[in-house]
Amino acid sequence: AQKITQTQPGMFVQEKEAVTLDCTYDTSDPSYGLFWYKQPSSGEMIFLIYQGSYDQQNATEGRYSLNFQKARKSANLVISASQLGDSAMYFCAMREVLSGAGSYQLTFGKGTKLSVIP
Amino acid sequence: SAVISQKPSRDICQRGTSLTIQCQVDSQVTMMFWYRQQPGQSLTLIATANQGSEATYESGFVIDKFPISRPNLTFSTLTVSNMSPEDSSIYLCSVESPHTYNEQFFGPGTRLTVL
Repeated sequence: AQKITQTQPGMFVQEKEAVTLDCTYDTSDPSYGLFWYKQPSSGEMIFLIYQGSYDQQNATEGRYSLNFQKARKSANLVISASQLGDSAMYFCAMREVLSGAGSYQLTFGKGTKLSVIP
Repeated sequence: SAVISQKPSRDICQRGTSLTIQCQVDSQVTMMFWYRQQPGQSLTLIATANQGSEATYESGFVIDKFPISRPNLTFSTLTVSNMSPEDSSIYLCSVESPHTYNEQFFGPGTRLTVL
């Protein structure tokens, strides 16, 4: 089973509107972290926001917020007031503590391509 | 945040040759990660490199094909050996923030095309 599922291959949003990018995850580890990254056409991976499994409040970073619903195992990214520069691929990722291995690796979803329309 | 640089930024290589990608971080970090992103795909972890020990490879990746060096806490190399067109990908170096566990950063990537 996939650990990270992003069901929206592509999304369109009007400039200045808000958009929600979906992400669901699967883990039995009680301690985990969820990340969102933006990848423009240049290929770099830009860290946007992080949510820890024990965090009581939803994470926010400027125009980015994370709608964390632990019971549903979802961590949707909300981008408010979309800008043309937000057009990019967006990846959701999860980091689990691997029992006994002591390493922390990120597992990525397949991504959502967001296009902002002027 | 950690600043990560990679060299080369892109390369076009012939089948059967090898390419070494360098990753430099501006601060000391314990673990460095190497990812591959095939065209139109998501990121897949190749290996985790700790300073002073052998790299740990993920399923489907072997040391003979992707040898890794980690000579110190700020530098690592990944070699793509005996390349084939299927190795055409973006290769990304990644590190956890040296200051906090809730950030992980990526280098700008190396875009490799194998002819």
